[in-house]
Amino acid sequence: DAGVTQSPTHLIKTRGQQVTLRCSPKSGHDTVSWYQQALGQGPQFIFQYYEEEERQRGNFPDRFSGHQFPNYSSELNVNALLLGDSALYLCASSPGLARYEQYFGPGTRLTVT
Amino acid sequence: LAKTTQPISMDSYEGQEVNITCSHNNIATNDYITWYQQFPSQGPRFIIQGYKTKVTNEVASLFIPADRKSSTLSLPRVSLSDTAVYYCLLSKTSYDKVIFGPGTSLSVIP
Repeated sequence: DAGVTQSPTHLIKTRGQQVTLRCSPKSGHDTVSWYQQALGQGPQFIFQYYEEEERQRGNFPDRFSGHQFPNYSSELNVNALLLGDSALYLCASSPGLARYEQYFGPGTRLTVT
Repeated sequence: LAKTTQPISMDSYEGQEVNITCSHNNIATNDYITWYQQFPSQGPRFIIQGYKTKVTNEVASLFIPADRKSSTLSLPRVSLSDTAVYYCLLSKTSYDKVIFGPGTSLSVIP
């Protein structure tokens, strides 16, 4: 049973560009959350998707947007990249309302130059 | 959202038991306490979760006093591979906004 997978593993972009990161949840999971983790800090919650809708959102600007597909996979889009967007982007999935633990993917390392 | 406070760092020798305490004075009645472990350049990994008293699994034990204002993660006989950052956080359901603090960086010394 594959766990949470993310692509790509690493990405280098230039300031002002746009980026799309992808996540496939663990089998049987229907909820996907995205986190940004800067070096030396804990993960910061970006948003959460369930039933193809954004359900919760953290303190991130509208440049950060997402999507969830009918197969529960998800994308994170970041527009007008800033140097400060350089971070590890983590996707986590969970199996539904009655459960609480989240399963994290390995992350995508984004570097903005 | 209720906030958690835990030590920034801890050192321990191999083979010792490590206890990491987390304070959550404003915990809500429907909050669960969850601990995650994270190695460098990897996503966090779920360790254990509890609501009250004691929970034990094959990896760790979680002790929660009756007032639930703190919790203690206990790692028995740590090894070098237990060197990681440990996060304590509160959540109500899988749809709740999950807030990670800076965590506790545990260094296991040979």
